[in-house]
Amino acid sequence: DAGVIQSPRHEVTEMGQEVTLRCKPISGHDYLFWYRQTMMRGLELLIYFNNNVPIDDSGMPEDRFSAKMPNASFSTLKIQPSEPRDSAVYFCASSFSGLAKNIQYFGAGTRLSVL
Amino acid sequence: DQQVKQNSPSLSVQEGRISILNCDYTNSMFDYFLWYKKYPAEGPTFLISISSIKDKNEDGRFTVFLNKSAKHLSLHIVPSQPGDSAVYFCAARATGSARQLTFGSGTQLTVLP
Repeated sequence: DAGVIQSPRHEVTEMGQEVTLRCKPISGHDYLFWYRQTMMRGLELLIYFNNNVPIDDSGMPEDRFSAKMPNASFSTLKIQPSEPRDSAVYFCASSFSGLAKNIQYFGAGTRLSVL
Repeated sequence: DQQVKQNSPSLSVQEGRISILNCDYTNSMFDYFLWYKKYPAEGPTFLISISSIKDKNEDGRFTVFLNKSAKHLSLHIVPSQPGDSAVYFCAARATGSARQLTFGSGTQLTVLP
């Protein structure tokens, strides 16, 4: 199993540009989560999906952030327009409800730098 | 309002000694707790977990203790090894919250050879 795959691994962009982060969850997993990690706030949950449907997006900081999951094997997190304070590491994680343990499996993350 | 708190941003321990990482929580609805380990440039990976019906869970060198009355859990690593140097995150799930986890801010553990 390849695990959760995120792309790109690094993204450098200028303020005002659109940024799209991509995630492929583990096959068969029915939950997908987007997190942001910063020094100040640690790991924050932004949004999560169950069976491709957004369940809770209360962690999305502003309307500039949006996330989609068009099918079970792909999700995107978009920031438009990007701002320097969006610079962080963004993680995607997936989980399978058939397991008793609440384990989430994380991708390697996308390090975003907005100049 | 942080519901899961890891008050020590960093911890240094000598190789072979015990490492104790602490985590406090405020939400009484939390019923399942997990520890994750994160190496630089990698995503967090699951380490060990404990249900609120237990007060201890052990897996090899790793033991998690849960004190519900104090709303406190700790991770013990014995003996500590240089390869254990990583950031450790405490996470919790609330009853009825499906698969959603709340994470602490992490503790950087450094095991000195």
